Amino acid sequence: DAGVTQSPTHLIKTRGQHVTLRCSPISGHKSVSWYQQVLGQGPQFIFQYYEKEERGRGNFPDRFSARQFPNYSSELNVNALLLGDSALYLCASSLGGGSPRTDTQYFGPGTRLTVL
Amino acid sequence: AQSVTQLDSHVSVSEGTPVLLRCNYSSSYSPSLFWYVQHPNKGLQLLLKYTSAATLVKGINGFEAEFKKSETSFHLTKPSAHMSDAAEYFCVVRNNDMRFGAGTRLTVKP
Repeated sequence: DAGVTQSPTHLIKTRGQHVTLRCSPISGHKSVSWYQQVLGQGPQFIFQYYEKEERGRGNFPDRFSARQFPNYSSELNVNALLLGDSALYLCASSLGGGSPRTDTQYFGPGTRLTVL
Repeated sequence: AQSVTQLDSHVSVSEGTPVLLRCNYSSSYSPSLFWYVQHPNKGLQLLLKYTSAATLVKGINGFEAEFKKSETSFHLTKPSAHMSDAAEYFCVVRNNDMRFGAGTRLTVKP
């Protein structure tokens, strides 16, 4: 079975530009979450979507937005890029529904974004 | 509020010796706890999880962790390290959202 897939694998942008990152969840999973991992740190939660609705949002500026499509894939958009947005962006999928405590997340390989 | 502290940023062991990666957590409610491993330039792989069943949890690749409520700890252990275990390890606490620790880099010497 295919795991979580993300595209592109690497991306280089300049300050002020906009970027769109894409994620396809494991088949049967209805929830997608996005994380930012800055070099040398643990991942930080950005968004969670379930059945196309936003279920949670981390402490990130409004430049960050996301959406989930009817096929449960998801996009993360970042506007007006800053140097500090350079990071590995991870997508995780889970079954969703039920208790968040027991809803195990499975991660994709990530998209490495470099902002120059 | 919830948080997790990984007590060592770097652990170095010799191949064949035991591994101990320490994690303390803080949570207002009874949490779920996870350990993930990240190899260089890879995503995160789930090692094991605790969700209020047995307090001793067995995971993949010979790893296990014990939930100790009185000590608010969830330390990761393995009896015998292998060279392929060299990676970054993250302890995670979850009530609603997932909170990651800063990570512990495990080095395995031949």
